[in-house]
Amino acid sequence: DTAVSQTPKYLVTQMGNDKSIKCEQNLGHDTMYWYKQDSKKFLKIMFSYNNKELIINETVPNRFSPKSPDKAHLNLHINSLELGDSAVYFCASSQGGGSGNTIYFGEGSWLTVV
Amino acid sequence: AQTVTQSQPEMSVQEAETVTLSCTYDTSENNYYLFWYKQPPSRQMILVIRQEAYKQQNATENRFSVNFQKAAKSFSLKISDSQLGDTAMYFCAFMGFTSGTYKYIFGTGTRLKVLA
Repeated sequence: DTAVSQTPKYLVTQMGNDKSIKCEQNLGHDTMYWYKQDSKKFLKIMFSYNNKELIINETVPNRFSPKSPDKAHLNLHINSLELGDSAVYFCASSQGGGSGNTIYFGEGSWLTVV
Repeated sequence: AQTVTQSQPEMSVQEAETVTLSCTYDTSENNYYLFWYKQPPSRQMILVIRQEAYKQQNATENRFSVNFQKAAKSFSLKISDSQLGDTAMYFCAFMGFTSGTYKYIFGTGTRLKVLA
């Protein structure tokens, strides 16, 4: 069983479209994250949710909207996609947002905007 | 602000040899956590090893060990008996309290290639 699963794994779409990436974790964790990894492999946090509440919201364009229907799911919706949105998006989870708890990552969703 | 620096963008090592990846960080916190993550070509991020800052003993996990120097703010990863499957990007990560919440901060990664 995959602990953190995200879909789709690959997504190619045109500029201006709206797309969503779904994430689910079956680890019983209460904190979930979205990270963006750009072409230079730099990994940067975008959002973090704890028990369905937003606790971290980095400087991310408003076109990105996370939604957490329950603590096992954290979806990412992106409106009006731009070329610069092309990246690998990683969902992750941990038990608690602090105390050094290990983050478990999904396999990533490779988004290409053309 | 906390920062994590990995000064070696790429490294290579012969199979069965030992290699050390460097990582330095900057923080004013006293309690924090440090991690090494591995990202193979499959892209999945996998935890390799973690270290609590309050522990003086260096963490070890089989062939992986760290040299944690708190005063120098250094956290290097040593891989012994390198295997072809160790070929991957390696990310150093710091977890501490910043801007009112706990955050992970990742370094820019070191691409390690193990040569047959």
